[in-house]
Amino acid sequence: DVELLESGGGLIQPGMSLRLSCAASGFTFSKSAMTWVRQAPGRGLEWVAGIGGSGVNTFYAESVKGRFTISRDNSNSTVFLQMNTLRVEDTAIYYCVRGLDTPDDYWGQGTVVTVSS
Amino acid sequence: DIQVTQSPSTLSVSVGDTVSIACRASESVGTWLAWYQQKPGKAPKLLIYKGSTLQSGVPSRFSGSGSGTEFTLTISSLQPDDFATYYCQQYNTYPLAFGGGTSVE
Repeated sequence: DVELLESGGGLIQPGMSLRLSCAASGFTFSKSAMTWVRQAPGRGLEWVAGIGGSGVNTFYAESVKGRFTISRDNSNSTVFLQMNTLRVEDTAIYYCVRGLDTPDDYWGQGTVVTVSS
Repeated sequence: DIQVTQSPSTLSVSVGDTVSIACRASESVGTWLAWYQQKPGKAPKLLIYKGSTLQSGVPSRFSGSGSGTEFTLTISSLQPDDFATYYCQQYNTYPLAFGGGTSVE
């Protein structure tokens, strides 16, 4: 069965860094584009970043460009989101998604990031 | 960047009603539009992709239509399990973008 397990969330002060991980299993990881989507408390969904199967192609929302970096380790079936210079407005549940918008679309349960002093 | 707008933001309906949710993109996205359903405390679930293709396992009372900049999600004969928030999302161009959501209550 497909499984996506996000980790790395927590409470952190503004300006600090955090790295989220998403461990995947149950499918051929290297063939799947992966995406991070976030949802601030009581708000809608926001696409954050995406990465192709090889890791060469990466894409970012304007709100995180230059601060966040998406990467992947295909040998360990894991995708990462390095988040630097965190802001209060980055507070959200961060979801890891396989194959967003495709028949293979599958979401993890999310990890909570709280940015607060 | 392409902006995606949904209307209405809230729909008050009853079981058995037919529900329509509109989604508008600020420029053409062809048929590269998906619809998601989200229930409180849960991850979103893909209902429809490529404008009108029903995801496997999704009941046939859900349907999507439209192309270009105007799209519609229709739920025929609303069931109790359908009370949720619905989002459209364009994936024609990066950065990808979700609409603001429609709460069906």
